[in-house]
Amino acid sequence: GENVEQHPSTLSVQEGDSAVIKCTYSDSASNYFPWYKQELGKRPQLIIDIRSNVGEKKDQRIAVTLNKTAKHFSLHITETQPEDSAVYFCAAPGYSTLTFGKGTMLLVSP
Amino acid sequence: EPEVTQTPSHQVTQMGQEVILRCVPISNHLYFYWYRQILGQKVEFLVSFYNNEISEKSEIFDDQFSVERPDGSNFTLKIRSTKLEDSAMYFCASRSSGAGIEEQFFGPGTRLTVL
Repeated sequence: GENVEQHPSTLSVQEGDSAVIKCTYSDSASNYFPWYKQELGKRPQLIIDIRSNVGEKKDQRIAVTLNKTAKHFSLHITETQPEDSAVYFCAAPGYSTLTFGKGTMLLVSP
Repeated sequence: EPEVTQTPSHQVTQMGQEVILRCVPISNHLYFYWYRQILGQKVEFLVSFYNNEISEKSEIFDDQFSVERPDGSNFTLKIRSTKLEDSAMYFCASRSSGAGIEEQFFGPGTRLTVL
């Protein structure tokens, strides 16, 4: 099955800095890569996703890049704000569902 | 905007007891999932369900677990004889049909505490 590795496990940045979270996956047939944000005690919510036919996708301060050759994808958050503080999970598809990474706790200090 | 709903929000039970966690997926969705998340850990896949049968299940989903779609709206997860290690947040998710894995919408979760 799919194996997803995510780094770092925690990331502390100052407000206004950029944050980058990286994931690798094992199944070269995977073609859809979502990122979820989970605030404390709440459900995971999809914030951005990318399909394998593109290398980068942006949505305001958030971007995701995909390198299919190297089998890794990254989440980039620019101009971080305190409300960006949360746990972020990457995921990759298995046969009929998603395999999640272990999560990155992002802490943005004012 | 339609949402996945789950009840109860918090369930406390004694070890060995049966629990049923309930989910109402988004009405036109056809694929349903259960995940669990032990406190501070990652979201783990339990089972996927389509066309009234299990599509895939993980190693966690052993004989103590079962799922059912008893009517046109509910999707349930039953744990037959709970263990302490079943304590976790359980998320239901659903997605519409399509060419591939699309966005899964997660419910708010049920926090299960086994004493």
